[in-house]
Amino acid sequence: DAKTTQPPSMDCAEGRAANLPCNHSTISGNEYVYWYRQIHSQGPQYIIHGLKNNETNEMASLIITEDRKSSTLILPHATLRDTAVYYCIVRAFNDYKLSFGAGTTVTVRA
Amino acid sequence: DAGITQSPRHKVTETGTPVTLRCHQTENHRYMYWYRQDPGHGLRLIHYSYGVKDTDKGEVSDGYSVSRSKTEDFLLTLESATSSQTSVYFCAISVPAGTEQYFGPGTRLTVT
Repeated sequence: DAKTTQPPSMDCAEGRAANLPCNHSTISGNEYVYWYRQIHSQGPQYIIHGLKNNETNEMASLIITEDRKSSTLILPHATLRDTAVYYCIVRAFNDYKLSFGAGTTVTVRA
Repeated sequence: DAGITQSPRHKVTETGTPVTLRCHQTENHRYMYWYRQDPGHGLRLIHYSYGVKDTDKGEVSDGYSVSRSKTEDFLLTLESATSSQTSVYFCAISVPAGTEQYFGPGTRLTVT
């Protein structure tokens, strides 16, 4: 019962913006979009989350479409250290569980 | 870094032996979680805790038990380890339930 769909992999050139898409067409009104990443052999790392407005922090920007059925995570200036698996997760704000799908393997190339 | 440590970081054990993994946090967060990660399955929630002595099951709790006698420690026990429990185990914390979770470095467990 996957709630999100992400491409399995993508490449990005170092220094360029990386745009990671996520489809969540069945999202409910009380569900947020969360993004995490996992660098090889490390624990997942929280990146950003949003409900309906675009969000930006020191790591990334999150763009959510007006109908909330899809979103894009933007890494503005990708570095080699951004090579990781990126997970898009939909969850209600008071839901204790994170459901990780397969994610997108992002490879940043020099 | 949310002040989360896990011990041991690596362990090899034999089938049928009991194993306890420890998650320790330094910031008195109320909610703690145990996940396992296997190839092809992503992370799956085993158990979680919403306070001292308050725990509940996740989606893959069979064969596992947990205890939380102090705010800072959340223990995961495999009463009789099986080869299917070979996995990487991650502990996580969140402040109030539903906000972002922060993960520990993981424990790689091999059951032979």
